[in-house]
Amino acid sequence: AQSVTQLDSQVPVFEEAPVELRCNYSSSVSVYLFWYVQYPNQGLQLLLKYLSGSTLVKGINGFEAEFNKSQTSFHLRKPSVHISDTAEYFCAVSDLLRSSNYKLTFGKGTLLTVNP
Amino acid sequence: DGGITQSPKYLFRKEGQNVTLSCEQNLNHDAMYWYRQDPGQGLRLIYYSQIVNDFQKGDIAEGYSVSREKKESFPLTVTSAQKNPTAFYLCASSTRGFGTEAFFGQGTRLTVV
Repeated sequence: AQSVTQLDSQVPVFEEAPVELRCNYSSSVSVYLFWYVQYPNQGLQLLLKYLSGSTLVKGINGFEAEFNKSQTSFHLRKPSVHISDTAEYFCAVSDLLRSSNYKLTFGKGTLLTVNP
Repeated sequence: DGGITQSPKYLFRKEGQNVTLSCEQNLNHDAMYWYRQDPGQGLRLIYYSQIVNDFQKGDIAEGYSVSREKKESFPLTVTSAQKNPTAFYLCASSTRGFGTEAFFGQGTRLTVV
């Protein structure tokens, strides 16, 4: 069974500082990986996804993530954060269930707080 | 604009009552999902449907029921058997297939009073 571990429940940073949100996954089969962002009282919005190819994936709002198969990690990074990046971030993994079913498994989320 | 609409945004339920949360999509997606979100718990899958008239239990289906009579609609009923229903509920949809992203609605916050 697949699982996702987000190593930090909260990450406080100052504006314009770099940030890394860590995500590790476990799965016995090939996986696809996603990062979503959730602003307060809203739904989730896709930041980026890794399906195949280059292990460095660029997303919206200046975020990027690197897939590391040997370490089963998919960490999210941004070189300089803004106040508006304050939100909760979720890492998710999908694998192939029986037949053609598809399911996303989410981590517990990391609350990024950007302080002035 | 295409998207997913959840209604209502806020819902209050008395203990012992059933309530139904609405989810409609106009993205022409085959697959639809219901997730429950609690603080510090991430998103947990309640039910999902890959095609009309078919649905599967997720990880926490007890106390919930769904139907999928139309491609566009996937309502969730929170029954009186759900002992702790207060939570934020998110509906999502996607095309079928491995690796496709899910699109989310804005959520419904259910509170038991």
